[in-house]
Amino acid sequence: DVKVTQSSRYLVKRTGEKVFLECVQDMDHENMFWYRQDPGLGLRLIYFSYDVKMKEKGDIPEGYSVSREKKERFSLILESASTNQTSMYLCASSLGVAGRANNEQFFGPGTRLTVL
Amino acid sequence: QKEVEQNSGPLSVPEGAIASLNCTYSDRGSQSFFWYRQYSGKSPELIMFIYSNGDKEDGRFTAQLNKASQYVSLLIRDSQPSDSATYLCAVSVNTGFQKLVFGTGTRLLVSP
Repeated sequence: DVKVTQSSRYLVKRTGEKVFLECVQDMDHENMFWYRQDPGLGLRLIYFSYDVKMKEKGDIPEGYSVSREKKERFSLILESASTNQTSMYLCASSLGVAGRANNEQFFGPGTRLTVL
Repeated sequence: QKEVEQNSGPLSVPEGAIASLNCTYSDRGSQSFFWYRQYSGKSPELIMFIYSNGDKEDGRFTAQLNKASQYVSLLIRDSQPSDSATYLCAVSVNTGFQKLVFGTGTRLLVSP
């Protein structure tokens, strides 16, 4: 079974703090993704990575950065947390085999971040 | 225009009935289609995927795909109260990267 873990289930930070969210997957997946999920807005892609040290912006990258130094680990960084970044953050991974049609994503348990 | 659309619900069905969840998408190049279930406060878990026109069955779940109509659905037979959750439709994006676009989900309520 694929296992995706996230460093914290709940996190409370203050405005202006630098925040690190960590994600680790244990199935040698190529692709990793960071989403945020807000009521009524669904899942929105922040950043994704298809290889070590590679990253691509998603739909809402502003205010975030990412790091992928090792294949199994993908970090999301909030450079200066703001109250509008209060959300549920979900990490996911997928196999990434070229040409594979059924490239399903597997999600971690999520981190509920509150910025005060 | 949203790329993946779902009725937000709630869809209410009695226990034992068939629940029908629908999803439309805009990208004609999409090849893969996924249904996720998400319980309140939890992360999405994959139920099924489909990439060929027609039906795909797995236990009480049937996914149906009609690419010409850009429509995918999920049928849940013999619905149980434990099926009460939000169901997310996800569609692959034809960009060369293996991204998925998610609908906002349909909330299903199964009453005993």
